[in-house]
Amino acid sequence: AQKVTQAQTEISVVEKEDVTLDCVYETRDTTYYLFWYKQPPSGELVFLIRRNSFDEQNEISGRYSWNFQKSTSSFNFTITASQVVDSAVYFCALSERNNAGNMLTFGGGTRLMVKP
Amino acid sequence: DSGVTQTPKHLITATGQRVTLRCSPRSGDLSVYWYQQSLDQGLQFLIQYYNGEERAKGNILERFSAQQFPDLHSELNLSSLELGDSALYFCASSGASAGGGYPGETQYFGPGTRLLVL
Repeated sequence: AQKVTQAQTEISVVEKEDVTLDCVYETRDTTYYLFWYKQPPSGELVFLIRRNSFDEQNEISGRYSWNFQKSTSSFNFTITASQVVDSAVYFCALSERNNAGNMLTFGGGTRLMVKP
Repeated sequence: DSGVTQTPKHLITATGQRVTLRCSPRSGDLSVYWYQQSLDQGLQFLIQYYNGEERAKGNILERFSAQQFPDLHSELNLSSLELGDSALYFCASSGASAGGGYPGETQYFGPGTRLLVL
């Protein structure tokens, strides 16, 4: 069965600090997809990134970067020079190729608080 | 704005009642998903429809049902409501690739319907 673990329930940093959010997943599938979503205080879920299991290249998008390591089943998310607007709950999610559909299994989320 | 719309934004009702949540997917998306977010269970997949047909089912209670209409909007019906059904219900949609609704498609989420059962 698929499982996603976000061990950090809450992180607090001061603005401009770098912060890494951890995500560890479990799957028996060789083909799978990983996602990160952001849930700001307003409540909506905002898509950030999608990664498939065959692409272990790290990705950078502005201040955001993602480190995918199959060897450790991790897909970590780093925010560089954090800003107050980054304060949100961040979810890591997994979808397996062998699912009948496209269900996402979410981690418990990490609440990030960025203080000015 | 993801392009997915959900109504109503908030809903307050009493135990034992029935409510209907509505979702309109992004233009062109054939797949619609429903998720429940509660404090104790986190974000949980309920059900997926693709082009009017049920594609996958998660931990959806028998008191809950859903459907997707020919115009692709979807409704989630919750009946015999209990206090524990209070949650944020999200709808998501994904792209219209051939035979779509398969793993790997990015799901775009609506703003959610916050349900409070008193």
